[in-house]
Amino acid sequence: EAGVAQSPRYKIIEKRQSVAFWCNPISGHATLYWYQQILGQGPKLLIQFQNNGVVDDSQLPKDRFSAERLKGVDSTLKIQPAKLEDSAVYLCASGGGSGNTIYFGEGSWLTVV
Amino acid sequence: GENVEQHPSTLSVQEGDSAVIKCTYSDSASNYFPWYKQELGKGPQLIIDIRSNVGEKKDQRIAVTLNKTAKHFSLHITETQPEDSAVYFCAASRRDSWGKLQFGAGTQVVVTP
Repeated sequence: EAGVAQSPRYKIIEKRQSVAFWCNPISGHATLYWYQQILGQGPKLLIQFQNNGVVDDSQLPKDRFSAERLKGVDSTLKIQPAKLEDSAVYLCASGGGSGNTIYFGEGSWLTVV
Repeated sequence: GENVEQHPSTLSVQEGDSAVIKCTYSDSASNYFPWYKQELGKGPQLIIDIRSNVGEKKDQRIAVTLNKTAKHFSLHITETQPEDSAVYFCAASRRDSWGKLQFGAGTQVVVTP
């Protein structure tokens, strides 16, 4: 089966600019996550969706980050305006199959200069 | 909240030897403990997981052990091969929020021929 798809894979922007990342989860997975992974660290959860509703966004910097999951399938994560410290890999993951295993995409690498 | 500590941060082993990575967690309500392997430029890939009703699980050359009393779990890789070189992350989550993974800081494993 196809895995979690993410785009773009790489993005370089200047600080104060905006960027958007797209994610298509594994077919049939009701739960979708966005994690942020700063170089040299483990991933940290930003937001969790169940179908098209937000379950947990307590770690999302809402003054600059937003995310949506229209129609309960694809999701978009937006950053506006970007800061230097937002440079990281943004990982999308989905779950909901047997065993509740979570599968990650390849990630979107963001560099803010 | 949950705090996961992972040791060592780097591990160099000779091909054919065993590698052991250890993690401790703080939240006694955690009951799901996956291990992910992350190769350079890729997303984390689940390699094995264990739930709190099981003390040990094995899959070919990989095994995970869990000590709930001591709140620690370990990854064991036997007969290491160069393709085992990667960063390994442990993680933990609770039954009521199984997708909200708290990751360790990662272990860089280098297998030298």
